[in-house]
Amino acid sequence: NAGVTQTPKFRVLKTGQSMTLLCAQDMNHEYMYWYRQDPGMGLRLIHYSVGEGTTAKGEVPDGYNVSRLKKQNFLLGLESAAPSQTSVYFCASSYLAEGVEQYFGPGTRLTVT
Amino acid sequence: GENVEQHPSTLSVQEGDSAVIKCTYSDSASNYFPWYKQELGKGPQLIIDIRSNVGEKKDQRIAVTLNKTAKHFSLHITETQPEDSAVYFCAASPPWGTYKYIFGTGTRLKVLA
Repeated sequence: NAGVTQTPKFRVLKTGQSMTLLCAQDMNHEYMYWYRQDPGMGLRLIHYSVGEGTTAKGEVPDGYNVSRLKKQNFLLGLESAAPSQTSVYFCASSYLAEGVEQYFGPGTRLTVT
Repeated sequence: GENVEQHPSTLSVQEGDSAVIKCTYSDSASNYFPWYKQELGKGPQLIIDIRSNVGEKKDQRIAVTLNKTAKHFSLHITETQPEDSAVYFCAASPPWGTYKYIFGTGTRLKVLA
């Protein structure tokens, strides 16, 4: 059981470039989440999904898009990266919508120059 | 919307002493309060949680207390060890259907040997 995995672990982008972060979970969880973590600001929800084929906006969705074509995968896309998107990105999953543990991946450190 | 304040932002204790981290939430309807531990370079991991119908929960050296009237909850770590050094996040889960956990800004705990 790998749990939640994320690729890549590190990435450096130039302003305006695009990239996709991949999250995969092998726990058959319905719910998946993308967070960003910035110093002094905790974890902020970018987008989430309540099941295969569904996505919804979180607290800070601007500049990001997501897709959940398969239940086990949740992709986060940056179409035109900006320095403000320099952050550590975490994916998480859970088997219920609330009141249960969210399982986090190891994170992706993204730097936009 | 829900807001969670966490204090202190950093905490240093001598090995063997106790550590206390406090969080205050704003939405009185929140009903689930998890605590996560994040070690360097890793994703957050659940260490203990409490529901709104319980005042205290304990798991070995870790305990969480909840005061619904004052809308605050605290993490207590007794007999601290060097491996307790990490960043700790509290979170509050608003009522069903919001699919969101609101995280505090984190406390960096250093246990000095």
